[in-house]
Amino acid sequence: DTAVSQTPKYLVTQMGNDKSIKCEQNLGHDTMYWYKQDSKKFLKIMFSYNNKELIINETVPNRFSPKSPDKAHLNLHINSLELGDSAVYFCASSQDMGIQQYFGPGTRLTVT
Amino acid sequence: DAKTTQPPSMDCAEGRAANLPCNHSTISGNEYVYWYRQIHSQGPQYIIHGLKNNETNEMASLIITEDRKSSTLILPHATLRDTAVYYCIVRVYRGGATNKLIFGTGTLLAVQP
Repeated sequence: DTAVSQTPKYLVTQMGNDKSIKCEQNLGHDTMYWYKQDSKKFLKIMFSYNNKELIINETVPNRFSPKSPDKAHLNLHINSLELGDSAVYFCASSQDMGIQQYFGPGTRLTVT
Repeated sequence: DAKTTQPPSMDCAEGRAANLPCNHSTISGNEYVYWYRQIHSQGPQYIIHGLKNNETNEMASLIITEDRKSSTLILPHATLRDTAVYYCIVRVYRGGATNKLIFGTGTLLAVQP
């Protein structure tokens, strides 16, 4: 069973569109995260949620809106997509905001 | 958070030990050293962490110098599947709300057959 899963794996869309990426973890963790890895391979945190409450919100444009319907899910909705949003987005989870984070396989978003 | 410095790339022969260094000369007393790796096109994977003492698990060993200004990750018998980017991260472990991993550029370890 996949511990942290993301859908879709690939997403190709045009500028200006709105899209969502979904993340689910079956580890029973209470903290989930979104990271962005750009074309230069820098991996940077965007958001974290603990027990459905937003904890970390880095300097991310407000076109990005995370939503956590329950502890096992953290979705990322992106409005008005721009070329610069093209990246790989990773979801992760951990227990009690702990050291060991488990990452999903990533979603490669390409904006044309 | 303390800044870390790692070599951009290293080679290792298959079956030999891979020793990956990390400098963190500005580390504070309450900052942990974590290691993660990212195999091509996959999500990062936790390897090991430590504070002062050397640590070992089924994946690797972590050797931290006595002054804590540097550390070495050791993969005892590297295989081709260990080819990946290895990230050394230094971070205060906060039991509270702001435990975020700050990734640097890492070391690309290439295990050669």
